[in-house]
Amino acid sequence: ELKVEQNPLFLSMQEGKNYTIYCNYSTTSDRLYWYRQDPGKSLESLFVLLSNGAVKQEGRLMASLDTKARLSTLHITAAVHDLSATYFCAGEGGGATNKLIFGTGTLLAVQP
Amino acid sequence: EPEVTQTPSHQVTQMGQEVILRCVPISNHLYFYWYRQILGQKVEFLVSFYNNEISEKSEIFDDQFSVERPDGSNFTLKIRSTKLEDSAMYFCASTNDRVLDGYTFGSGTRLTVV
Repeated sequence: ELKVEQNPLFLSMQEGKNYTIYCNYSTTSDRLYWYRQDPGKSLESLFVLLSNGAVKQEGRLMASLDTKARLSTLHITAAVHDLSATYFCAGEGGGATNKLIFGTGTLLAVQP
Repeated sequence: EPEVTQTPSHQVTQMGQEVILRCVPISNHLYFYWYRQILGQKVEFLVSFYNNEISEKSEIFDDQFSVERPDGSNFTLKIRSTKLEDSAMYFCASTNDRVLDGYTFGSGTRLTVV
């Protein structure tokens, strides 16, 4: 079964700095998803990456997918405090309805 | 923007009691899911539902769990006899076209078993 690993688990960064969250997955996944979760809240969809080489950007966040390396990255540019949250990547676990298999999450804390 | 609605937002129940968590998926969606997240941990798949039947379930989804779509709009998760370890946030999700829309998650129900 698909396994999804993220690193780092916790990331403390200063405002204005850049950093990357990595998401590795163990077997083929048709699509790769990134979600944001604020404390006690639901999962907000950030990106859906559909194919090898896909790159999507929204504001200070950019996600990419390398299906050959089974790696997706979420790059944060010039972080601001509002980006503090937990970020999850998820792959599709196959089966009839392609359930999502989530990574462990990365807790991002942006310090002023 | 269409939403997946879950009720209640928080439920406290005594161990051994039955609970029903309710979800109203987006109206034109066809695939429905329940996930759970134990505090501080990752989100785990419980069950998927399509065409009025369970499509897939995880090892977590044992005989104590059941799902129903009693009418055209509601999608429920029932836990027959709750255990302390069932305490978690339960999320409902739905999709119509994963390629275009991805999966939309509800706001969750926090279940506390005491």
